[in-house]
Amino acid sequence: EPEVTQTPSHQVTQMGQEVILRCVPISNHLYFYWYRQILGQKVEFLVSFYNNEISEKSEIFDDQFSVERPDGSNFTLKIRSTKLEDSAMYFCASRKTPGQVNTEAFFGQGTRLTVV
Amino acid sequence: ILNVEQSPQSLHVQEGDSTNFTCSFPSSNFYALHWYRWETAKSPEALFVMTLNGDEKKKGRISATLNTKEGYSYLYIKGSQPEDSATYLCAFMQSGGSQGNLIFGKGTKLSVKP
Repeated sequence: EPEVTQTPSHQVTQMGQEVILRCVPISNHLYFYWYRQILGQKVEFLVSFYNNEISEKSEIFDDQFSVERPDGSNFTLKIRSTKLEDSAMYFCASRKTPGQVNTEAFFGQGTRLTVV
Repeated sequence: ILNVEQSPQSLHVQEGDSTNFTCSFPSSNFYALHWYRWETAKSPEALFVMTLNGDEKKKGRISATLNTKEGYSYLYIKGSQPEDSATYLCAFMQSGGSQGNLIFGKGTKLSVKP
């Protein structure tokens, strides 16, 4: 069964360092998301991506964040200069198409980012 | 700011009990309501995608109802089993704009004791 895969599963980084979180969405999906969950808090929307550009982004997704689809399969989230408060579980998700209202999102298993 | 509320925050039941929890969402500009089940150390998995007022969906012992006019959805689990222990997330999708953004509630954490 096709699935969304994320790497690495856990990343520890020093404050101020750049990190890149990688995701491989399901191959025929066109709509991609990044979400995060800070421990004990709700799952928060970061950004959605469609047709090779950002479709929507939240207030959390500031200039320190960027997303890219460098080739036909990967979808990456970059944090330029990590802060302690960026520590969270980051989830990638994909949907088949935004036009079909009844399609669910498929989530990866997440990358736990720890900023020290 | 769109707000999706889920209650209760956590629930402890005995095996065999039936249970239900609530998701509240904005009643205007409704597009879709998703329910996801999230087991520890796994990724959230879709249970239901609901789009029509009055919708009722069922998957085994789990069912969900939708009231878009008043902005709520109920998830029911009949005869809870230990393997039902998970966090149940609802996510609201609004019409207009990108139509793709899912706004999640905080989830209801269900623990089923054998």
